[in-house]
Amino acid sequence: QVQLQESGPGLVKPSQTLSLACTVSGGSITSGGNYWTWIRQRPGKGLEWIGYISYTGNTYSNPSLESRLTISLDTSRNQFSLRLSSMTAADTAIYYCVRESKNYDDSWGSFRLFDSWGPGTLVAVSS
Amino acid sequence: DIQMTQSPSSLSASVGDRVTISCRASEGISKNVVWFQQKTGKAPKALIYAAARLRSGVPSRFSGSGSGTDYTLTINSLQPEDFATYYCQQYTNYPWTFGQGTKVENK
Repeated sequence: QVQLQESGPGLVKPSQTLSLACTVSGGSITSGGNYWTWIRQRPGKGLEWIGYISYTGNTYSNPSLESRLTISLDTSRNQFSLRLSSMTAADTAIYYCVRESKNYDDSWGSFRLFDSWGPGTLVAVSS
Repeated sequence: DIQMTQSPSSLSASVGDRVTISCRASEGISKNVVWFQQKTGKAPKALIYAAARLRSGVPSRFSGSGSGTDYTLTINSLQPEDFATYYCQQYTNYPWTFGQGTKVENK
């Protein structure tokens, strides 16, 4: 059973860069078919997909955040990380690290699923 | 981006009720829909994938249906542990997007 755990600062000043790490246990971050993803949830709001890094190191980001976002993989630590620059109050949110897996169902075929989530970490942006 | 519009945004129901939540996509998404349940202070949990396929371990009172742009999550005989917020999510086109959520409250 894969488990994920976010770590990082709970408070960031405006204009600073947020750095979060996600430690994966119970499985290798390089095992095939997985997309290591960041999702956030702003206070009282819905869920926003931020982006992913694949097991091969390919990344894809939400265009709304792409210019400020870096997602990287550290295979030696079995971790992946997020860096979001130029933080503002609008970036205050719970940040989740998530495994999105590619799966196969005999009756349906292939499908994607956010099947393992970290507990989330609240990041506030304030001076 | 594909917009996912859920309705209602909240509803009040009693234990034993049948609850229906709708999700409309701004374009066809070929049944590439997941339904999540989120309880207060917890991460979301996937219930249904491919619009109608029940994830292993999820009670059979949960069901999904739909095609094209319109999808539905149904909870038959609502249980106390089902009071939560539910989200739909599409995985047809990037960026993946979520509905704004439907909060199911105890009447």
